[in-house]
Amino acid sequence: GNSVTQMEGPVTLSEEAFLTINCTYTATGYPSLFWYVQYPGEGLQLLLKATKADDKGSNKGFEATYRKETTSFHLEKGSVQVSDSAVYFCALNTNTGNQFYFGTGTSLTVIP
Amino acid sequence: DARVTQTPRHKVTEMGQEVTMRCQPILGHNTVFWYRQTMMQGLELLAYFRNRAPLDDSGMPKDRFSAEMPDATLATLKIQPSEPRDSAVYFCASGLSSGGGTGELFFGEGSRLTVL
Repeated sequence: GNSVTQMEGPVTLSEEAFLTINCTYTATGYPSLFWYVQYPGEGLQLLLKATKADDKGSNKGFEATYRKETTSFHLEKGSVQVSDSAVYFCALNTNTGNQFYFGTGTSLTVIP
Repeated sequence: DARVTQTPRHKVTEMGQEVTMRCQPILGHNTVFWYRQTMMQGLELLAYFRNRAPLDDSGMPKDRFSAEMPDATLATLKIQPSEPRDSAVYFCASGLSSGGGTGELFFGEGSRLTVL
């Protein structure tokens, strides 16, 4: 079946620390992969995406590389800011079944 | 800026009452998803429409929940009767499905439901 597994939180980091949130997936076919971010009291927003193996998605200093050999799409940022405090969701779209699968979300808190 | 619009943003009601949540997807999008978010269960898929036809509502409690798309600009999620365990934030999301995939989803800001 199709599923997404991401590291459990919560994660607490100091400002300017390096961030990694792990995400692995199981999928049939060739999925597209996404990271969504949810700020307090808001809906989910697309942060970045990658549609095929070895693609790197990037936005606002965040990056993630689609690794087919390890079925992973880990989110990274070199230097986090307080404003990055949010919940991050990894997701996949099967591209065949027209269906999205979301991870459970990882809460990130960045302290000054 | 095109966006998904949900109403109401907040709803407090008493157990047993009917609740209707509405969603206006982005113009031109042909897929609509309803999700429920709680602290305990996280993000759960309730229903999924493509070209207004329901494709998957397996995540929705059928005895009290119903989802419809009366037209391409409106999706509704109804709970009757409501129960305290239905308290959650309900999100609508829309996307464009062309060929095999839907690309990205665009989420509304959610409807926060509290059932007393």
